[in-house]
Amino acid sequence: GQQLNQSPQSMFIQEGEDVSMNCTSSSIFNTWLWYKQDPGEGPVLLIALYKAGELTSNGRLTAQFGITRKDSFLNISASIPSDVGIYFCAGRFSGNTGKLIFGQGTTLQVKP
Amino acid sequence: DAGITQSPRHKVTETGTPVTLRCHQTENHRYMYWYRQDPGHGLRLIHYSYGVKDTDKGEVSDGYSVSRSKTEDFLLTLESATSSQTSVYFCAISGQTFSTDTQYFGPGTRLTVL
Repeated sequence: GQQLNQSPQSMFIQEGEDVSMNCTSSSIFNTWLWYKQDPGEGPVLLIALYKAGELTSNGRLTAQFGITRKDSFLNISASIPSDVGIYFCAGRFSGNTGKLIFGQGTTLQVKP
Repeated sequence: DAGITQSPRHKVTETGTPVTLRCHQTENHRYMYWYRQDPGHGLRLIHYSYGVKDTDKGEVSDGYSVSRSKTEDFLLTLESATSSQTSVYFCAISGQTFSTDTQYFGPGTRLTVL
């Protein structure tokens, strides 16, 4: 089936550092989404991207929709302990009733 | 919160027994989805619904069935549970906002099949 390759799989960083993660696909998407999952909870939407080249921010988070429409990036600036969790990218093809394909997730740990 | 509840939140069952998980929404969203989450696989779509009595298969539908008799409820049934179905199951909804792309997730059900 379709797959998204998300990297890195895990990160262990010091509080205050910046974080970058990305997703790539062999298929073209018309939407990219980034979710965060806290332990024991469901994923929560962070950022949605709808146009190639789009750069969108949400507080300390910035995400970009790759110009080729096959990739997306998420950056977190000045990390804090509450950034700990699993980050998922998700892509959506055009016209498929909202079905999403998810990456495997990036587990982020922040050392105070 | 997007008004999604899942029940039960935790369940332990034995191989071969039937199991039904319930997703309930208060948002009147058209689309509902069932995912399973396993380490190294992210979230994988099991089944989804695009309206009352309208459902379709996702990428990992074998061994699962669904039903949606009301807008607010979407049931996932494991007819005869197997150990490979031990997982965390998430329900999601979408379709009421300006875009159908934004899916909102429930809190999850942790299912253990012994």
